Parts: sequence; C-alpha cells; structure tokens
Amino acid sequence: AQSVTQLDSQVPVFEEAPVELRCNYSSSVSVYLFWYVQYPNQGLQLLLKYLSGSTLVESINGFEAEFNKSQTSFHLRKPSVHISDTAEYFCAVTGTGANNLFFGTGTRLTVIP
Amino acid sequence: DGGITQSPKYLFRKEGQNVTLSCEQNLNHDAMYWYRQDPGQGLRLIYYSQIVNDFQKGDIAEGYSVSREKKESFPLTVTSAQKNPTAFYLCASSMGQGYTEAFFGQGTRLTVV
Repeated sequence: AQSVTQLDSQVPVFEEAPVELRCNYSSSVSVYLFWYVQYPNQGLQLLLKYLSGSTLVESINGFEAEFNKSQTSFHLRKPSVHISDTAEYFCAVTGTGANNLFFGTGTRLTVIP
Repeated sequence: DGGITQSPKYLFRKEGQNVTLSCEQNLNHDAMYWYRQDPGQGLRLIYYSQIVNDFQKGDIAEGYSVSREKKESFPLTVTSAQKNPTAFYLCASSMGQGYTEAFFGQGTRLTVV
C-alpha cells in the first residue's frame, strides 16, 4: 500500500512571498502523485499531477511540484503567493494499477495581506 | 457541463436514523468513490465501485452501505450503526482502475443531532 505525509498542518505566508508545502510518500511500487486544492465547504480540485516523464510539473496558476524519487517527495512550490491561494492543499498518491488514492492530512495555506 | 453532483449540500438528521447521500456523474466514468473528511485527518475511503453492480469496501466501511445500479449513480447510505456520522462526505469518479485523476463533487456536510 501507499501512504502520504504532509509535514505541515498550517503554513502562514505573506502576500507575494514564496511558499513550499511539503509532501513525502511511501510506496513499494511505481506511483502517480497529485496535489489537490480545497476551498471552504467545497470539493477538491486537481492542481497538478505527476504520472511519468518530466519530474517538474506545473499548474496554470503558477504552482509547481517536483517529483524526487530518491527522497520520495513531491513538494509544492509557488514563487509569489496571492490572497486567493488561501485554501487547504492535499497531496495524494496511488500505485500504478491500484484502486485507491491515498491522501495526506492536508496543509492549510493562509496568505496574509 | 460534465461533472459530479452531490446532493444535498447540507443535511441534518436525528441520531438513529438512516440517511442517503446522492452522487451523480455525467462524465461516463467507470469508477466512483466515497470519501469521508474530518478535520485534521485528510480523506478516508469508505467504498468504491469499479463497475456497475459491483463495489468494494474501503478503509472505513463499517456503518455505511452503497449501491451501483447505474453507471451514473453511486448513493451512500449512512446507517444508524455508524457511531460518529457527523462529517463532510465527498464523492469522486475516475475513468477506471489505475486511475490517473479523480474528479470530486462539492461535498455533503452531514450533521447528526
């Protein structure tokens, strides 16, 4: 089975500052990795995903994540955050061919004006 | 527009009553999932279905039941046997086994009083 650890439950950051949300995973098989974002009282929206190929993946709103197999990490970064980035972010992993998506406990990003 | 619809958004029930949460998708996805979200615990899988008329227990299936009579629909019943049913429930769907991306509904917040 797979598992995910999100090391920070809350991350406050000032507007226009850079941010990194950390995610480590464990798996005995090849994986797919995902970052989802959740706004209050809403469902989850896919932010970006790593399936194969380039280890650096980007979203349309300036986030990026890098798959690091040796460190079993998939940290999410943004060079300059905006107020609208305030939300909860979930890292998730699934084994290739698996039936379940394993989620971390989430990181609440709060952008301070 | 294609997507997943969960209803209702908010639901209140008395303790000891069964309640059914609706989930409908028009994405033509084979697989559907129910997750439970509690503060600080991430998402936990309740049940999933890879195909019509078939479903499997997830990590926390006790006290819940599902059916999959149609490809588009995957209702979840929270029974009186569920000891702590108050939570945010999320339905998701994906193309199928070894899924590369899950699409989520907007969630149903169930409060049992």
